[in-house]
Amino acid sequence: EAEVAQSPRYKITEKSQAVAFWCDPISGHATLYWYRQILGQGPELLVQFQDESVVDDSQLPKDRFSAERLKGVDSTLKIQPAELGDSAMYLCASSLEPDIEETQYFGPGTRLLVL
Amino acid sequence: SQQGEEDPQALSIQEGENATMNCSYKTSINNLQWYRQNSGRGLVHLILIRSNEREKHSGRLRVTLDTSKKSSSLLITASRAADTASYFCATDRVSSNTGKLIFGQGTTLQVKP
Repeated sequence: EAEVAQSPRYKITEKSQAVAFWCDPISGHATLYWYRQILGQGPELLVQFQDESVVDDSQLPKDRFSAERLKGVDSTLKIQPAELGDSAMYLCASSLEPDIEETQYFGPGTRLLVL
Repeated sequence: SQQGEEDPQALSIQEGENATMNCSYKTSINNLQWYRQNSGRGLVHLILIRSNEREKHSGRLRVTLDTSKKSSSLLITASRAADTASYFCATDRVSSNTGKLIFGQGTTLQVKP
């Protein structure tokens, strides 16, 4: 069964350093989502792509976060510089289309710890 | 910002018992979905219920939706130790057609063998 791939699974960094996360969605899925999940809370959408275009980045802290999906397939989320409050799980998900009834398929996540 | 609130935050039951968790939301929706998350893992889609539906079943899962009260419940019958996980409700918004989901805080379920 096809899965969403993410790497790395774990990342420890010091504040003010740069970090990057990678996501490879299920083949053929046009829509890709990045979520941040703080411990004990539900995921919160950071950015949504339709192919290579950003559909929604209203919750992305654009002063330090950036995301790209250059060829409309895999995607990278970057944080520069990292802050202590960025410690969280970063989840990637994909769906066939940005439809209200489309199931989102989640990857295993990248757990980030900022020291 | 999170749309939903889930109740209870944590639930502990014995294997074989039923587990009920509730979700309330704030704005009008097209549908509501439930996801499961095993510890330290990604989320897995369980079930979707449309705003014009009142009840839906899938295996041991039963979901109800009351749009007048802006609330939903997830019932897991005959629970198993493998059901131990966090459960999240997620809603879209009628004003949105992008598939954007807003998740609740989640209910942590522990099923004791």
